Amino acid sequence: AQRVTQPEKLLSVFKGAPVELKCNYSYSGSPELFWYVQYSRQRLQLLLRHISRESIKGFTADLNKGETSFHLKKPFAQEEDSAMYYCALAMNRDDKIIFGKGTRLHILP
Amino acid sequence: NAGVTQTPKFRILKIGQSMTLQCTQDMNHNYMYWYRQDPGMGLKLIYYSVGAGITDKGEVPNGYNVSRSTTEDFPLRLELAAPSQTSVYFCASTFPGANVLTFGAGSRLTVL
Repeated sequence: AQRVTQPEKLLSVFKGAPVELKCNYSYSGSPELFWYVQYSRQRLQLLLRHISRESIKGFTADLNKGETSFHLKKPFAQEEDSAMYYCALAMNRDDKIIFGKGTRLHILP
Repeated sequence: NAGVTQTPKFRILKIGQSMTLQCTQDMNHNYMYWYRQDPGMGLKLIYYSVGAGITDKGEVPNGYNVSRSTTEDFPLRLELAAPSQTSVYFCASTFPGANVLTFGAGSRLTVL
C-alpha cells in the first residue's frame, strides 16, 4: 500500500544547530516527493520538490530511491523555521497526492 | 487573483445535520483535492477530481460526498454529521501533472 511515514511528531532543535526531518515512502511506481510547510496562521505551502533539486530557505532534500527516503535537511536552524512540516507523495498512476502525519519543528533560542 | 477560496471558515454542526463545504479556484486548475487535518494524523485525502464530471475516492471517503460540475468548484458534502468528522478541512488544486498544490485557508468544522 502507498504510504508516507514521518516518524517524529515533534522535533526540538537549538538555533544554529543542524536540522533533519525524516520522511520515508512506500510506492511501487515512480514517486514524486514534496515537502510542504505550514507556518503559524498561514496556509500550507510548498517548500520544495525533489525534481527541482533546489535549496529553499536553506533547506535541501534528496530523494534516495534505494532507502525510499526524502529527508529534509538544513545545516543551521533559524527561529523562523519553527512550523509544521509535511512530506507528500504524488502518485502519477492515479493522480493521488498523499501526505505524512507531519512533524512539528520547534527551534529553541 | 484569489487562488483557492473555502467557505465557511468555521462551522458548528449538531450530530445528524448536513452541510456543504464550498471550494472554488480561479486558476483554471483541472485537479482538485479535499483533505482533512487532524492532530497527530496529518492530512488525509478524502476525495479528488481530475476534471469536471470526474471524482475519485481518496483514503477516507466514508461519510462524505463530492461533485464537480465546473472546473472552478469542488464542494464537499457531509450528509449525516458525526463527532468523528470534527476536523479542519482543506481544499487544494493543481494543474495536471504539475502536482504542486495550492491550498485554501481551511474550514474548521465541529460536530457536537
